[in-house]
Formats: sequence, structure tokens, C-alpha cells
Amino acid sequence: TAGITQAPTSQILAAGRSMTLRCTQDMRHNAMYWYRQDLGLGLRLIHYSNTAGTTGKGEVPDGYSVSRANTDDFPLTLASAVPSQTSVYFCASTGRDTGELFFGEGSRLTVL
Amino acid sequence: GQNIDQPTEMTATEGAIVQINCTYQTSGFNGLFWYQQHAGEAPTFLSYNVLDGLEEKGRFSSFLSRSKGYSYLLLKELQMKDSASYLCAVRDSNYQLIWGAGTKLIIKP
Repeated sequence: TAGITQAPTSQILAAGRSMTLRCTQDMRHNAMYWYRQDLGLGLRLIHYSNTAGTTGKGEVPDGYSVSRANTDDFPLTLASAVPSQTSVYFCASTGRDTGELFFGEGSRLTVL
Repeated sequence: GQNIDQPTEMTATEGAIVQINCTYQTSGFNGLFWYQQHAGEAPTFLSYNVLDGLEEKGRFSSFLSRSKGYSYLLLKELQMKDSASYLCAVRDSNYQLIWGAGTKLIIKP
């Protein structure tokens, strides 16, 4: 089973360029999330979506946007990348019962 | 503010037992999670506690005391493959997850 698939796995991007990180899940989970993980810090929520057609802002939403056109896909877009957006990005979805998160393999983004 | 505290790094010996502590101050409480994350990989779910007490799952156990804002993850019969970071996360009153920075566990032979 694929679970959650993220792409690309790694990317180097020039500052000022735009970038979309893709996330697709095949578990029919309603809730999906984008986190960034930086050394020495806990996972920080960027944006979330409780169901298709709705999105919400997390702890660190500035500079990022998301869309949720259907249940399976939840892309994250950086409109104009800055070096502080260098991070590892994880997409996740929630199983219904305990709220356990299922994570994608991560996308390592470097902005120069 | 909301805060999750756990040690940055711990070292233990193969075959031994290690306890990783987590203390939290959050706006409400709707469960505590432990995740394991190997270097360069995604976090994977280990345990979930919502009531006080000990939950045992094989070599791993997790304990919760809501009155003390405290949890621990107990790993027994340590194996080299247990070398990883262990992340504590609390779900607050808004059902949002608050994450600790993680504890890097180093296992020595």
C-alpha cells in the first residue's frame, strides 16, 4: 500500500522562485496536514485541511498556500521562496480513530 | 503558552532499559502521542495515551499522568535499531497537535 506519497523528495530552489510540493494519499483520510521540521524544533504545522474543499492556517502559514480540491491531494505552494523556508516538509493525514498521523517520506527543500 | 519538554539526547546500552520523559503545559488535553523517527525518515506512530496509566506494546510502554502533565516512553531490551529520535506530542483542546523537539536516543553496543 502506498499510503502517502510526496514529491519531490529533494529540491534546491533559488530565492524568489515558486515551488509546489505535492502530496497524495490513498487511504481516504479526510484530514491532511503540512508540517515543517527544523533542527532543534518540534514539527510545526503550516496548513491543514479537515476535509476536501476546506483549508486552515497552522502555526507558521506565512509564505505558504494550500488547496484541497479532492480527498486525495493536498499540494503546498511557496509563491516566492526565501532562505528561511529551507527545511524538511512532511505531509500527513489522520486516521479516524485515535487521530494517529500517517506521514509521507518528506521533501527536503533548500532555498539559496 | 503551550510547551512540550523532553531531553535533547540520551545514550543507553544495547540490551538495557531506557525511559524518555515528556512534560507538557497545554491548553486542554485530548491525548498524548509518541512517535519514532529514524534519521532521514518520516515519524512513525508508537503509542497513544488518553487516560492515566501504563500502555504496554511489546518492548515499548508509555505512561501518562494527566494531573502532573507528564508522560514517559519506556524501551526494554534495547536493540541497535532503536537508535532514533522519539517525539512526544499532545493534542490540545482545539484538537491541534503540539510537538516536542524530540529526544535523540543513541544505543551503544
